[in-house]
Amino acid sequence: AQSVAQPEDQVNVAEGNPLTVKCTYSVSGNPYLFWYVQYPNRGLQFLLKYITGDNLVKGSYGFEAEFNKSQTSFHLKKPSALVSDSALYFCAVSPQGFNKFYFGSGTKLNVKP
Amino acid sequence: DAEITQSPRHKITETGRQVTLACHQTWNHNNMFWYRQDLGHGLRLIHYSYGVQDTNKGEVSDGYSVSRSNTEDLPLTLESAASSQTSVYFCASSEVFGGGTDTQYFGPGTRLTVL
Repeated sequence: AQSVAQPEDQVNVAEGNPLTVKCTYSVSGNPYLFWYVQYPNRGLQFLLKYITGDNLVKGSYGFEAEFNKSQTSFHLKKPSALVSDSALYFCAVSPQGFNKFYFGSGTKLNVKP
Repeated sequence: DAEITQSPRHKITETGRQVTLACHQTWNHNNMFWYRQDLGHGLRLIHYSYGVQDTNKGEVSDGYSVSRSNTEDLPLTLESAASSQTSVYFCASSEVFGGGTDTQYFGPGTRLTVL
């Protein structure tokens, strides 16, 4: 069975500090990996994706993510958090051969001034 | 610019009524998806379509139906609305890429309340 885990329901970080939002997956084959952000009362916005190539992927708003094949992880990172980064973050996986997404349960990021 | 829109943005209905939520995309994507989002459950896939006249059931399809008569639209119908279907509904579209799906683009959502 395909599954995606975001082990932390909530992550708290002070403004200016680095942040990490974790994602691990268990899928067949080599997956495509995505991160989305959702602000209150809004739809999901695409942040970044990994298809192939360099394990470090850069995306919108200064976010980046590191693909680790051996640990089947795709953690979202940002060197210096902003209060405006406070939102709900979703990891999504599209396994090859499956033309759809499997979503994690979401992680609420709180950045405090 | 290409976009994906949903209507209505808010809907209140009564138990037992039929409700249709609209989704329209101008990306010209073949894939379209409907999700519901509830507290504690994240996003759950209701139905999806890979092209005109194609529809497939997702993990929570009971009580819902879709039809795909053109590339741009995938309306979601609640045959007989139930209070358990109170939720926020999101539509998304994407293209096929390699053996999986490429980036899904999401609409703004429809907040449905069933009384």
